[in-house]
Amino acid sequence: GDSVTQMEGPVTLSEEAFLTINCTYTATGYPSLFWYVQYPGEGLQLLLKATKADDKGSNKGFEATYRKETTSFHLEKGSVQVSDSAVYFCALTANAGGTSYGKLTFGQGTILTVHP
Amino acid sequence: GAGVSQSPSNKVTEKGKDVELRCDPISGHTALYWYRQSLGQGLEFLIYFQGNSAPDKSGLPSDRFSAERTGGSVSTLTIQRTQQEDSAVYLCASSPVLGGPGNEQFFGPGTRLTVL
Repeated sequence: GDSVTQMEGPVTLSEEAFLTINCTYTATGYPSLFWYVQYPGEGLQLLLKATKADDKGSNKGFEATYRKETTSFHLEKGSVQVSDSAVYFCALTANAGGTSYGKLTFGQGTILTVHP
Repeated sequence: GAGVSQSPSNKVTEKGKDVELRCDPISGHTALYWYRQSLGQGLEFLIYFQGNSAPDKSGLPSDRFSAERTGGSVSTLTIQRTQQEDSAVYLCASSPVLGGPGNEQFFGPGTRLTVL
């Protein structure tokens, strides 16, 4: 079945540091890929997405590129801020039909803490 | 506009009791999803609805779990004879349509269930 693997955390950085959170996936066909973020005390919200190979999703200074050859969707940000402290989830949905069509399969989540 | 709402926000119950968790999706969203977030299992898919129909119930952990959706809107997740391992945050999400490339799901704040 489909699966998502994220780098183990937690990740602790100083403000303005470069961030990479690795994500690789296993899926049949051409899944859509997502990064969701959960800020402290808030619900899950979509950060960015990509729907086909070589697409780059971007939002709030974060970027991730859909790499089919390496089945990866690594999240990057050039200069993190304290306000980026949150839990980040990589996820996919299968684009083929089937009984679980549209469900999100999540990675285990990465806790990011940014210090001033 | 109003987002996905869930009630109650917190529920503490005794082992063996039944509980009902409610989800109000964004108006007009035809697809509705339930997920569970727990320390040991991460974020896992439980069930989805397309309108009032739930084609795939394989994600439900046991036959103590059931869910229904009425009028294509509100959904209720029922857990009978609760066990301590049911303790988790139960998340509901909705989206305008089911599946499709890059289709975003909008999450509610969750219900934190604690089984004593």
